[in-house]
Amino acid sequence: GENVEQHPSTLSVQEGDSAVIKCTYSDSASNYFPWYKQELGKRPQLIIDIRSNVGEKKDQRIAVTLNKTAKHFSLHITETQPEDSAVYFCAASNAGNMLTFGGGTRLMVKP
Amino acid sequence: KAGVTQTPRYLIKTRGQQVTLSCSPISGHRSVSWYQQTPGQGLQFLFEYFSETQRNKGNFPGRFSGRQFSNSRSEMNVSTLELGDSALYLCASSLDSGGAYEQYFGPGTRLTVT
Repeated sequence: GENVEQHPSTLSVQEGDSAVIKCTYSDSASNYFPWYKQELGKRPQLIIDIRSNVGEKKDQRIAVTLNKTAKHFSLHITETQPEDSAVYFCAASNAGNMLTFGGGTRLMVKP
Repeated sequence: KAGVTQTPRYLIKTRGQQVTLSCSPISGHRSVSWYQQTPGQGLQFLFEYFSETQRNKGNFPGRFSGRQFSNSRSEMNVSTLELGDSALYLCASSLDSGGAYEQYFGPGTRLTVT
């Protein structure tokens, strides 16, 4: 089955800096890659996603890049703010709605 | 539109008992997936239901089962509870039509097994 590795497990940045979280996947048939943000005690919230026919997607301060050849994708957050502090999960899907998640990255943005 | 809702939000059960959790998807969404979230194992896929049929299944024992009703609401059941079943159980709904696979999560049911 699919296996998703996510790095780093924790990331601390200064407010205003950029943050990058990387994920690799094992199944070349995977074609959908969402990112979720989960604040403490809250539900995972979809923040951006990308499909395998696209190399990059951007939404304001958030961007995701996909390298199908290397089987990795990354989340980029620019101009980080304290409210960006949360746990971020990447996921991959090769079978409809069956998501395989990475282990999560705890992002801490220091004011 | 109202978001995904789950009931109950918190549950305490004893080993050996069984439990049923409920999930109401976003109106119009036909797919409901269930996930287990624990500190040690992270987020793991349990199963997915679409049009009252189980379409995908994760690697969980047969004690974990589910169903979906004609209004797309879904329930999951865990029989013969074990201490290791303590977790946050999340459901997610998806429109799953026209290439729209985005999944939106409910708030979860926190299950504690003692």
